Order: sequence, then C-alpha cells, then structure tokens
Amino acid sequence: DTGVSQNPRHKITKRGQNVTFRCDPISEHNRLYWYRQTLGQGPEFLTYFQNEAQLEKSRLLSDRFSAERPKGSFSTLEIQRTEQGDSAMYLCASSLDPANTEAFFGQGTRLTVV
Amino acid sequence: AQTVTQSQPEMSVQEAETVTLSCTYDTSESDYYLFWYKQPPSRQMILVIRQEAYKQQNATENRFSVNFQKAAKSFSLKISDSQLGDAAMYFCAYRRGINTGTASKLTFGTGTRLQVTL
Repeated sequence: DTGVSQNPRHKITKRGQNVTFRCDPISEHNRLYWYRQTLGQGPEFLTYFQNEAQLEKSRLLSDRFSAERPKGSFSTLEIQRTEQGDSAMYLCASSLDPANTEAFFGQGTRLTVV
Repeated sequence: AQTVTQSQPEMSVQEAETVTLSCTYDTSESDYYLFWYKQPPSRQMILVIRQEAYKQQNATENRFSVNFQKAAKSFSLKISDSQLGDAAMYFCAYRRGINTGTASKLTFGTGTRLQVTL
C-alpha cells in the first residue's frame, strides 16, 4: 500500500455538470476525511467518515455535495450542478483511530469549473 | 470555534541557515494537538511535526523543532540547516483531543510559502 490515492488528479468541467471524485484510503484506516483547498488558503474540512458512517458534515458542504463510503473502504465525493466557486483542490485524508493522531493525505483532485 | 493564524504569507531562507515560521491559535479547550504540515508543489501534504498540548517539552524531529508557548497560544516551527528540499507551503494545524468525542478534523492556517535560496 503506497498511501492515500485520489482520482482523477485533475478535472475540468463545464458549469452545471456533475463530477465525482474517488479516494482510496490506506487499507486499514477506518477514518476518512474530505477537505477543500482554494488558492492561497489552507484546507477546509468538508466531511468525515468513520468506517461507512458519515458522522460530520461542514456547513461548506451544500446540498449539491454528497459523499459516500460504501463498506467503509473507498469514498466518493460528488458535486452536482457545479459552479465556478467549486473550483478548488479536493483533498482526502485517512487515519487509523483516535489514538493515532496522524492523518495521511492524498495528492488531491484539482477541479476547474469553466 | 478554533482558529489558526499564520501571519507570514512568504518566507525566504538561505541554504544551511535557520528559519522560523510563526503560528498562533485560539481555543478554549485544554486537550488538543498542534501540527505542522508541509505541502510541496503538486505533491501531497505530509506531517512534519506534532505537539500534544499536555506536554511541556517542545517536540523535535531531526532539523525541525517547535516552540510551543501554551499560555500565549503560539506554536512556531524552526527549521535548522535549511535544504533546497524544504521549499514548500507549510501549514499549521489544530486538532481537538482524542477524548473529546469529535471527528478529529484538522483546522488549518492559511500557510506560509518557504523559499530556500542558494
């Protein structure tokens, strides 16, 4: 296992289209996080899964956003009816449990909405 | 809500010299962790160093060390003997303690871009 994997690395889409990103965490990690990073800013928390349960969602996660983690393995983040303001880097991170405080990040998916 | 502030958008250091990146945070909690993450261009974010709030001793990892001033809510990163490979964005981050029963999400600052010159 080489770490957290995110696909695609880059996505260009037209405004109004739907997009879906995938995150494959480190295999034994039960916690999975999605963050969004805009230019010149630090990552901002979007949502969190513990195994297959989505336990927390940020106010940043509007109703156009949905995330899933079926069977507690990989996760998908879907954005419906994309807007130009959705252009950002979407980062996924995973960690093992509360006793292990280190989160490992993927390389991210850069979304550009034109 | 917790906030993390990095007031230095950019810093520059000569190779082999020492540089200090600043970070302040605001929280009303006593159980928390602080982190410095490094984000090289087009590469994933990696953990540089972490500090548990209950530990008085400052954390060190090889050439990286922190100055944790709990009362002042300050958490600076010192990089000694800077190398070209240290050039990256550095983010300070906060996380609530493991006993708070929360998601353990990270709250990041806006980052400091470090340039290393010859």
